[in-house]
Amino acid sequence: DAGVIQSPRHEVTEMGQEVTLRCKPISGHNSLFWYRQTMMRGLELLIYFNNNVPIDDSGMPEDRFSAKMPNASFSTLKIQPSEPRDSAVYFCASSFMGSQETQYFGPGTRLLVL
Amino acid sequence: GESVGLHLPTLSVQEGDNSIINCAYSNSASDYFIWYKQESGKGPQFIIDIRSNMDKRQGQRVTVLLNKTVKHLSLQIAATQPGDSAVYFCAENIQGGADGLTFGKGTHLIIQP
Repeated sequence: DAGVIQSPRHEVTEMGQEVTLRCKPISGHNSLFWYRQTMMRGLELLIYFNNNVPIDDSGMPEDRFSAKMPNASFSTLKIQPSEPRDSAVYFCASSFMGSQETQYFGPGTRLLVL
Repeated sequence: GESVGLHLPTLSVQEGDNSIINCAYSNSASDYFIWYKQESGKGPQFIIDIRSNMDKRQGQRVTVLLNKTVKHLSLQIAATQPGDSAVYFCAENIQGGADGLTFGKGTHLIIQP
């Protein structure tokens, strides 16, 4: 298996632009997690899906952030409009079932908002 | 709010020595703990996990110890190698919790030749 796939790997955009991050979980996994990593705050859970349904989005910073999982093999995290403080590395992870099974992380998307 | 924290941000050890990375947690309801390793430019990589009904669990060159009395978790790496240089995170979860993993800030392990 190729593992969790994320795209793009790097994104540079200007403040106010829309940013869409993509994730393909490991085949057969039915839980998907979006995390954000910054030097100041470390790794933070943004949102988590089970069987394509959002379970907990309390970590989503504000209404500018939205996430979808239209099917078991694809998820997006969208930021609209983006702001410089959104600059971070965004990770997607998947697991077989829930938070108490091993989560496998993708390589991350490094986002820079100018 | 309750959180997972690490005692030392940086740990430097000689190649071949054993290393111990510590983690304190404050949520007494947490019952599942995981250690992840993150190398520069990569995503976190699972190392080992432990559930609260255990005090110790061993893997290949790694051992995780859990002391629920003082809410302390440690990761022991035996005979460290250059490839062990990375940032190590502990993370916790509450059984049945719908909030994913809560990660600590991380400890940077440096292996000196």
